Amino acid sequence: GEDVEQSLFLSVREGDSSVINCTYTDSSSTYLYWYKQEPGAGLQLLTYIFSNMDMKQDQRLTVLLNKKDKHLSLRIADTQTGDSAIYFCAELIRDQGGKLIFGQGTELSVKP
Amino acid sequence: EAGVTQSPTHLIKTRGQQATLRCSPISGHTSVYWYQQALGLGLQFLLWYDEGEERNRGNFPPRFSGRQFPNYSSELNVNALELEDSALYLCASSSRAIWGYTFGSGTRLTVV
Repeated sequence: GEDVEQSLFLSVREGDSSVINCTYTDSSSTYLYWYKQEPGAGLQLLTYIFSNMDMKQDQRLTVLLNKKDKHLSLRIADTQTGDSAIYFCAELIRDQGGKLIFGQGTELSVKP
Repeated sequence: EAGVTQSPTHLIKTRGQQATLRCSPISGHTSVYWYQQALGLGLQFLLWYDEGEERNRGNFPPRFSGRQFPNYSSELNVNALELEDSALYLCASSSRAIWGYTFGSGTRLTVV
C-alpha cells in the first residue's frame, strides 16, 4: 500500500538539534525526499536519499534511512528560527512512474 | 532560471462554477504534476502529465481534469465546483522524477 506517516508537531529551542521522523509502507520505494514549506509558499526540496544509502549529510541536514523498519529521519543541527516551517517526507512509488506520496507534514516550531 | 510559475495566485469562485488553473514548468522539464493541499488533508496527488500525455491520475472525480500543451505548460480544470474543493493547488515539474520535483507557489482556490 501507499502510506507515509509523520508526527504532526515538533518544538525545539534555537541551537538545539531537531529530528523529524517518517515511516513509509511501500516496499518498492527506491527514492525518498524531504521538502520544506514555509507559510504561504510552495514546497522546497531540501534533500533526497536513494534506498541503497543508509545516510546522507548535507551541511546542517542529516538524513538516516532504516530500510528494514521503513523509517526515515531528518536531523537539523543547530536549529534556527528560520527553520520554522512544515517538513514533508515523500516517497517515489516505483511502479507508478513519477508519482510522489507525501506524509501529512511535521510543523517545526523553533523557540528563541 | 525561472522557477515553476502558477497563475492566478488566488481565485474565488462560486459553487457550481468552473475554475482553470495554469502552470508553466521549468524550462527543459517535460513532466508536470498537480497536487491538492486542503486543510487537514496533506498533499493529495491529482494528475501527472508527461510529453503531452496524462500518465497517472489520483483518486479524484472526473470533474478534475487537465491537459499539457506542446510547450509543456499545463492547465488544471475543475468543473461543478464544490465547497470542499477549496484548497491550495500546487503544480510541480521535473526532468526526471528521481531527482525530485520543483514546486510552484500554488493557486489558492476558494469556493463560496
